[in-house]
Amino acid sequence: AQSVTQLDSQVPVFEEAPVELRCNYSSSVSVYLFWYVQYPNQGLQLLLKYLSGSTLVESINGFEAEFNKSQTSFHLRKPSVHISDTAEYFCAVSDTGNQFYFGTGTSLTVIP
Amino acid sequence: GAVVSQHPSRVICKSGTSVKIECRSLDFQATTMFWYRQFPKKSLMLMATSNEGSKATYEQGVEKDKFLINHASLTLSTLTVTSAHPEDSSFYICSARDPWTGFDYGYTFGSGTRLTVV
Repeated sequence: AQSVTQLDSQVPVFEEAPVELRCNYSSSVSVYLFWYVQYPNQGLQLLLKYLSGSTLVESINGFEAEFNKSQTSFHLRKPSVHISDTAEYFCAVSDTGNQFYFGTGTSLTVIP
Repeated sequence: GAVVSQHPSRVICKSGTSVKIECRSLDFQATTMFWYRQFPKKSLMLMATSNEGSKATYEQGVEKDKFLINHASLTLSTLTVTSAHPEDSSFYICSARDPWTGFDYGYTFGSGTRLTVV
């Protein structure tokens, strides 16, 4: 079975500052890793994913995440955040591609 | 890209009544859809896997008689909360994957339904 741990439930950060949202997973098999973003009262939107290949993956809005197999981590980073980045972020893992296991989420609040 | 439409986005119902939530794949056919429940400040909890033309597979602890799932076509799955009670108030989200685009695009989620039982 897989599980995901997001240690930080809330992360406040000033605008234009860098941010890192932590995600660790446990699995006995190879996994696929995802970050989803959720804005208030909306569904989840795929932010980025790691399936194979390069361990550093990037999104179109400046976020990046690095798959670290030895540390079983998939931390999400952005060098300079904007007010519009305020949202809930979920890390997820899947082994078969059918069932997802989500972390408890990290609420990112960007302070003007 | 793949789009999943969920309706209604918000519903308020009286205790004891039933509520139906629809999940549609708009531009692809989904043989499998998933229903999640999200509690405040909590992660998404997978409730059940909806399979087109067959019975849904429920996760442990989810009452199948209370949360009825029907996947009658390749583009529509419905979740009916029967005899709703205030503790059923939650945010319900469905998801699906376009099998033709493969796993590369991940799963598409609906916009969610906020259910409030009064």
